[in-house]
Amino acid sequence: EAEVAQSPRYKITEKSQAVAFWCDPISGHATLYWYRQILGQGPELLVQFQDESVVDDSQLPKDRFSAERLKGVDSTLKIQPAELGDSAMYLCASSLGFNQPQHFGDGTRLSIL
Amino acid sequence: QQQVKQSPQSLIVQKGGISIINCAYENTAFDYFPWYQQFPGKGPALLIAIRPDVSEKKEGRFTISFNKSAKQFSLHIMDSQPGDSATYFCAANNQGGKLIFGQGTELSVKP
Repeated sequence: EAEVAQSPRYKITEKSQAVAFWCDPISGHATLYWYRQILGQGPELLVQFQDESVVDDSQLPKDRFSAERLKGVDSTLKIQPAELGDSAMYLCASSLGFNQPQHFGDGTRLSIL
Repeated sequence: QQQVKQSPQSLIVQKGGISIINCAYENTAFDYFPWYQQFPGKGPALLIAIRPDVSEKKEGRFTISFNKSAKQFSLHIMDSQPGDSATYFCAANNQGGKLIFGQGTELSVKP
């Protein structure tokens, strides 16, 4: 079964540093999502792409977070500078289109020291 | 209005028993209701989903019951097994695609 690939699996960095996460969605999936999951809570959407275009980034802290999906396939989420409160699991999901089942990767566990 | 409220927060069930997790929503524009299963260190895995035009959907030991008028839906796990021990999330979205998740239920199935 096709999977959403994410890397790295774990990232430990100091506050004020830059950090980047990568996601490769299931082949053919036009819609890509980045979620943040704080321990003990459900995931919350940060940004949604349809092909290479941002559809919803209303919950993305744009002063420090950026996301891109240049060729409409894989995607990168960046944090610069990282803050202690950014420690969380960052999950990528993809779907064939709007209102279609979303499939998640195993995420990147970020720890800020 | 965008919230999905999930209960209980944690649940302990004996092997072979029935696990029941409940969710409630306010936004009547929601039209897709999936359930996800998450093991520690893993991403959420889609378990089963329902749309509001049906009141029940069953896949193996997993059943979703949906009450549109009450704006509630629930997950029933029949013949619960220790391997079902995980955190379960309900979610909802509208045609915009954004999933709104519940707070999660940590299920423990005792042998």
